[in-house]
Amino acid sequence: GAGVSQSPSNKVTEKGKDVELRCDPISGHTALYWYRQSLGQGLEFLIYFQGNSAPDKSGLPSDRFSAERTGGSVSTLTIQRTQQEDSAVYLCASSLGVREAFFGQGTRLTVV
Amino acid sequence: GQNIDQPTEMTATEGAIVQINCTYQTSGFNGLFWYQQHAGEAPTFLSYNVLDGLEEKGRFSSFLSRSKGYSYLLLKELQMKDSASYLCAVRDPQRGGSYIPTFGRGTSLIVHP
Repeated sequence: GAGVSQSPSNKVTEKGKDVELRCDPISGHTALYWYRQSLGQGLEFLIYFQGNSAPDKSGLPSDRFSAERTGGSVSTLTIQRTQQEDSAVYLCASSLGVREAFFGQGTRLTVV
Repeated sequence: GQNIDQPTEMTATEGAIVQINCTYQTSGFNGLFWYQQHAGEAPTFLSYNVLDGLEEKGRFSSFLSRSKGYSYLLLKELQMKDSASYLCAVRDPQRGGSYIPTFGRGTSLIVHP
């Protein structure tokens, strides 16, 4: 595709529900990153996929968070039993190897 | 660990020049990025430095000193549309062997007439 695509753009969910966030990276990009950004804060790293290597999950804040990348392309970030502190903008980015990363528009998650 | 510092907020006048500094302390270094982020939008790539010196791209320039753990982004001929947050990110190859950029909190630049 022309750019990184994320869906949904906005998601409001009740506390305790599970949510799935989707990311379609730029075609051919081998690296995929998930970050989250809370209001007025910097980008917090969550998880990183590079080719067929095992993902780097060192940024996931708890075991309620998980992500997968199918076929080296589309990625899904799943948050189980959402909490209010999970409210943030979740940003996905992709890059060709170690070159600059291109970001999607993000999913704004609100847990009520 | 990793520590990236930027000023929280800066203001400047349209047409002027502004320099946004970034200092970092990382266990390793494999490149520094600058991104621009307008409110409610995704970060967009501005520049990449891996060697010492100045990289110029139009009105924007970025400088790196690896020995000092220091970079700056220079914006010339400021325009109102340059009002945005500017994010400094450092890639540390020793972070689990992965090439993951770590971001600072960003500098909010306000350009006024």
